[in-house]
Amino acid sequence: DAGVIQSPRHEVTEMGQEVTLRCKPISGHNSLFWYRQTMMRGLELLIYFNNNVPIDDSGMPEDRFSAKMPNASFSTLKIQPSEPRDSAVYFCASSSGLAGGARSDTQYFGPGTRLTVL
Amino acid sequence: KQEVTQIPAALSVPEGENLVLNCSFTDSAIYNLQWFRQDPGKGLTSLLLIQSSQREQTSGRLNASLDKSSGRSTLYIAASQPGDSATYLCAVMLLVGYQKVTFGIGTKLQVIP
Repeated sequence: DAGVIQSPRHEVTEMGQEVTLRCKPISGHNSLFWYRQTMMRGLELLIYFNNNVPIDDSGMPEDRFSAKMPNASFSTLKIQPSEPRDSAVYFCASSSGLAGGARSDTQYFGPGTRLTVL
Repeated sequence: KQEVTQIPAALSVPEGENLVLNCSFTDSAIYNLQWFRQDPGKGLTSLLLIQSSQREQTSGRLNASLDKSSGRSTLYIAASQPGDSATYLCAVMLLVGYQKVTFGIGTKLQVIP
């Protein structure tokens, strides 16, 4: 398996522009997570999907952020409009853990997208 | 709200030394605890996972312990090598309808040849 795939790996944009980050989870995994990593705050969970349905989006910082998972093999994280404080590394992770705690499982991380907003 | 603290933030040791990384968490009702490794510009790689009912896990030169009641975990690295240089993150999982993971900031380790 190729692991979790993220694109682009690097994105440089200007303030006010729309940014779309993409993720392809590991085939067969039913849980998908978007995280943001900064030096000051470390890794923070933004949103969690289970079976393509958003379960917890309490970590999404504000309305400028939105995420979708139209099918089991693709998810997007969109920022519109982008601001310099959104500069960070955004990670996507997937796991085969089941909701409700039936079984725990490790999360497999993609390589991340480094976003720079000028 | 679960908080995870890692000490030290950075560590530099000569090759061959044994070392200990520390992790503490505020909510002891965890489901499991994991140690991850992160190399510069890369994603996270899981090293060891300890279930809440376990006390420790070992993999090669790595040993992780868990004391749930005191909210502490340690990662022991024996006979460190330059290839161990990376950032090590501690992550605790709660089950709140799903696997909610809270990460520490990490310990940046440098092993000097």
